[in-house]
Amino acid sequence: GQQLNQSPQSMFIQEGEDVSMNCTSSSIFNTWLWYKQEPGEGPVLLIALYKAGELTSNGRLTAQFGITRKDSFLNISASIPSDVGIYFCAGRDVSGTYKYIFGTGTRLKVLA
Amino acid sequence: GAVVSQHPSRVICKSGTSVKIECRSLDFQATTMFWYRQFPKQSLMLMATSNEGSKATYEQGVEKDKFLINHASLTLSTLTVTSAHPEDSSFYICSARARRERGYEQYFGPGTRLTVT
Repeated sequence: GQQLNQSPQSMFIQEGEDVSMNCTSSSIFNTWLWYKQEPGEGPVLLIALYKAGELTSNGRLTAQFGITRKDSFLNISASIPSDVGIYFCAGRDVSGTYKYIFGTGTRLKVLA
Repeated sequence: GAVVSQHPSRVICKSGTSVKIECRSLDFQATTMFWYRQFPKQSLMLMATSNEGSKATYEQGVEKDKFLINHASLTLSTLTVTSAHPEDSSFYICSARARRERGYEQYFGPGTRLTVT
């Protein structure tokens, strides 16, 4: 099925560093969701965005709905070892379909 | 709120047998649930959309006779893998759509690891 472009594919960072990842789409979206998945588990919803330009935080996580409505960003500040996992974006386009399209994922590893 | 459970978490079956996986929304009603398949180190691949009280909608390339979906109530959807083969071994994850104040969100179950021997 259709997928979003998510980058970077993987990141190795030092504990305490900030992290930034993004998703881009060729079509306009009206909703963006960000998830984290740990090995052997289902994705957990982190942040939901519904409006272009919206900036929403959840603890050390901040996500933004791009003003063009074709992209979204997720930032993690002061990373800790438990931030390790795969982060997925998901977008819902304006055609009215109820299905979310998922990004290819960003694999994050934090070195203590 | 918005908890989704899956059962079983792991299942091993012999080739040729059928396996049923249950997905339940525990604290909300879900008229729409989704079934995904995930291969190691890959993203989520949507298999089908399960609608309460009606037939499931399958994605292109997914065999509806092999992956039977039943959405019997507003809190339960089941996926049955019929005549399983080793290539069906995978991580199957369901999700349920929840109406929130500002829009729709999807909540995932913990997944089911299927191994076909």
